[in-house]
Amino acid sequence: AQRVTQPEKLLSVFKGAPVELKCNYSYSGSPELFWYVQYSRQRLQLLLRHISRESIKGFTADLNKGETSFHLKKPFAQEEDSAMYYCALRGSQGNLIFGKGTKLSVKP
Amino acid sequence: DAGVTQSPTHLIKTRGQQVTLRCSPISGHKSVSWYQQVLGQGPQFIFQYYEKEERGRGNFPDRFSARQFPNYSSELNVNALLLGDSALYLCASSLDPGGNQPQHFGDGTRLSIL
Repeated sequence: AQRVTQPEKLLSVFKGAPVELKCNYSYSGSPELFWYVQYSRQRLQLLLRHISRESIKGFTADLNKGETSFHLKKPFAQEEDSAMYYCALRGSQGNLIFGKGTKLSVKP
Repeated sequence: DAGVTQSPTHLIKTRGQQVTLRCSPISGHKSVSWYQQVLGQGPQFIFQYYEKEERGRGNFPDRFSARQFPNYSSELNVNALLLGDSALYLCASSLDPGGNQPQHFGDGTRLSIL
C-alpha cells in the first residue's frame, strides 16, 4: 500500500527551539517525497523535495530508506514558521499521496 | 504569473444537485490534477489529466468526472451531491505528470452541501 503517516497533529515549540516534523511512508520502489506548507490564508505551496536536497527557509529533510522516513527539520524555529505542514509521496499514477498534516505553532 | 486559478471560490449546493468546478493551470503547464480536502485531512487525489486525457483516477465514485480542454484548463463535475461531498476542492498543475515535476496548487473551491 502507498501511504504517508504524520503522527503528530499538532506540534508546539518556542521561538529558537529546534523543530522536527515526522513523516513516515509506505511505498514499494524508489520513493519521491515532498513537503508542502500552508500558511494562514494562503494556498498550499511546495516547501522542498528530497530529490533537490536543498534547504528552504532553513528547513531540511533527509530521506531515510531504512526507516522509511522523511522528517522535516529546522534548528531554530521562527514565529513565521507557524503553519500547516503536509508530507507527500508521489504515487504510482503520478499523483500525490498526502499525510494528514501537522500544525506547527511557534510561540514567542 | 497568476499561478493556478480556480473558480468559484465558494459554492453552496443542496443534496442531489450537480456542480462544476473550474481550473486554469499555470501558463505552459499541461497536466492538471484534482484533489478533495475534507476538514482535518490531507488532500485526496481524484483525477489527473494530461494532454486532454485521463492519466490517473483516485478512489472516488462515478459521480465524479472531469475533463481537460485544448487550452489545458479543466473542469471537475460532481453529480447527485451528498452531504459528504462538502470539502475544499484543489486543483494542481505541473509541466507534465511524471518525472521530477512538482505540482502547484490553486486556492481551491470551498463546496458546502446543505
